[in-house]
Amino acid sequence: DAKTTQPPSMDCAEGRAANLPCNHSTISGNEYVYWYRQIHSQGPQYIIHGLKNNETNEMASLIITEDRKSSTLILPHATLRDTAVYYCIVRVGDDYKLSFGAGTTVTVRA
Amino acid sequence: NAGVTQTPKFQVLKTGQSMTLQCAQDMNHNSMYWYRQDPGMGLRLIYYSASEGTTDKGEVPNGYNVSRLNKREFSLRLESAAPSQTSVYFCASSVPRVSTQYFGPGTRLLVL
Repeated sequence: DAKTTQPPSMDCAEGRAANLPCNHSTISGNEYVYWYRQIHSQGPQYIIHGLKNNETNEMASLIITEDRKSSTLILPHATLRDTAVYYCIVRVGDDYKLSFGAGTTVTVRA
Repeated sequence: NAGVTQTPKFQVLKTGQSMTLQCAQDMNHNSMYWYRQDPGMGLRLIYYSASEGTTDKGEVPNGYNVSRLNKREFSLRLESAAPSQTSVYFCASSVPRVSTQYFGPGTRLLVL
């Protein structure tokens, strides 16, 4: 499985967009990029996933570079409730086991 | 629709005691998982069950056993608890071969 690299932490101002980067330079053609987040003391929550096209849902947008070696999760209007650890995970489509790394701790400040 | 539920929410054990963590889901998912999360760390997969009647080891299975009781329930047993098993335990479920997993609220276990 491809390994991912994320910055350990980042701050964001409330109401602004939060852009979370993830490097996955060894990703292979059939591996998807998944994003989860974990708000303090809670179970992880699925956010979004994609293969090669950009994706958007009610929570976030996922931008994957054309070479698929990196991606960016965008929270369009961050709120205090978006303060959490965000995990970028690369996973083969038919292999459902997830491997969580350390993630990025995002702190949204008023 | 409660999603994934876990019991108990919190437990304190003495070294050598045994206990079973319970997990149930009402989403009709075939696949279920047990993870542990140590302070400041990401989640690590202990065991998973791809479908009713099957279980497989994950990344850190030593010291644990699991039972897939039926499609809804997947339990995790510690036969002889050790302080190194102090952790937060999360159960999750998913549709087979799909990595969108739904997590429970966790069980916080302290082994003294």
